[in-house]
Amino acid sequence: EAAVTQSPRNKVAVTGGKVTLSCNQTNNHNNMYWYRQDTGHGLRLIHYSYGAGSTEKGDIPDGYKASRPSQENFSLILELATPSQTSVYFCASGDWGANQDTQYFGPGTRLLVL
Amino acid sequence: QQQVRQSPQSLTVWEGETAILNCSYEDSTFDYFPWYWQFPRESPALLIAIRPVSNKKEDGRFTIFFNKREKKLSLHITDSQPGDSATYFCAASGDSAGNKLTFGIGTRVLVRP
Repeated sequence: EAAVTQSPRNKVAVTGGKVTLSCNQTNNHNNMYWYRQDTGHGLRLIHYSYGAGSTEKGDIPDGYKASRPSQENFSLILELATPSQTSVYFCASGDWGANQDTQYFGPGTRLLVL
Repeated sequence: QQQVRQSPQSLTVWEGETAILNCSYEDSTFDYFPWYWQFPRESPALLIAIRPVSNKKEDGRFTIFFNKREKKLSLHITDSQPGDSATYFCAASGDSAGNKLTFGIGTRVLVRP
């Protein structure tokens, strides 16, 4: 069964509304990541976490917050959604160390902000 | 600035040909270079990775060639198959980057039968 799951899989939001994207992993990995994927930009890191209670800013954190309440769960929060945040969002988990540098991606969430 | 660059943005080859995907990077402290592939409507997944202790890594029909001096690497797909049609992302990481990867924008490969 899938080790990294995301919800919702599809979301339509209104400009100015709050959006929460959820991610759950059963890999028992310490690190979790949120990326967005847009044509011409590849995968860009928004926020990441080293473990429960930790969040770190990635390369494009503006307009996003993150929360890691437990080892398994990592959320991405858009407090005031804007149309520029329309994208596909991927969550990933992984551990860092000898031969353990693989990131495992969830199925993605398609977000449309109108 | 773009830390990891990929070229070409798209590539079409015939079945059986060798596809060559290029990647270059800026940060000389990068020491881990994975390639991820992504099929349409799916999520990225690790394909193959290399560390600078070697200049070549092979896994079946997929080979990474690494040139540390020029800060360049390439992915060769030999005997390309239609099932190899996907977007390929070069990524990089190192001690200065923490436990995170920097991805290139990807190369879309189409293998025609």
